[in-house]
Amino acid sequence: SYVLTQPPSVSVAPGQTARITCGGNNIGSKSVHWYQQKPGQAPVLVVYDDSDRPSGIPERFSGSNSGNTATLTISRVEAGDEADYYCQVWDSSSDHPYVFGTGTKVTVL
Amino acid sequence: EVQLLESGGGLVQPGGSLRLSCAASGFTFSSYAMSWVRQAPGKGLEWVSAISGSGGSTYYADSVKGRFTISRDNSKNTLYLQMNSLRAEDTAVYYCAKDFANCSGGSCHYYFDYWGQGTLVTVSS
Repeated sequence: SYVLTQPPSVSVAPGQTARITCGGNNIGSKSVHWYQQKPGQAPVLVVYDDSDRPSGIPERFSGSNSGNTATLTISRVEAGDEADYYCQVWDSSSDHPYVFGTGTKVTVL
Repeated sequence: EVQLLESGGGLVQPGGSLRLSCAASGFTFSSYAMSWVRQAPGKGLEWVSAISGSGGSTYYADSVKGRFTISRDNSKNTLYLQMNSLRAEDTAVYYCAKDFANCSGGSCHYYFDYWGQGTLVTVSS
């Protein structure tokens, strides 16, 4: 089955840029979606189709995807961005096609 | 406004059963596939099961296949998850999620555009 690998944690100072990677075999050929989950809350979609943002998501959140790595970038990080972030793809070749990454805890210093 | 409200969670003994419900509103329920996603304490997200808008197609993770059954009642705008033969490792918060299909060139991929707040299932003696 398809595997998505994320770094367990990323630390960033307020106002700086956080980059969260999501690694998978030829992930650039798939569409990648990103979810933010704050403690005790449900996940929220922050980027879909590699780089599109749902309405209400700040422009500070952006995404890219190429080769074997997709990246979620959070610019001008704020304290409220502290959360777990998960990437997700649809693996059409599998009987269980919804695949989540391992998750990354973003800590704002 | 899309709303998804789960219910039915609780404490159950190993080997027992539980049925989760998810009441949906704010969108045409029958037009969208729906999923259940769970999160064990301190762990990541795990997709559990999905069902097509008509209910005619269902999909399961290997970890629950043969024990869990997903269904829906489009007349009641409600999604269900019947969980049998529960194990300690099924302990988790269970979220229902609305699927969004992006289709082009004859193929589709799916993601979750809305999530409920979750219901906790604890399997313990």
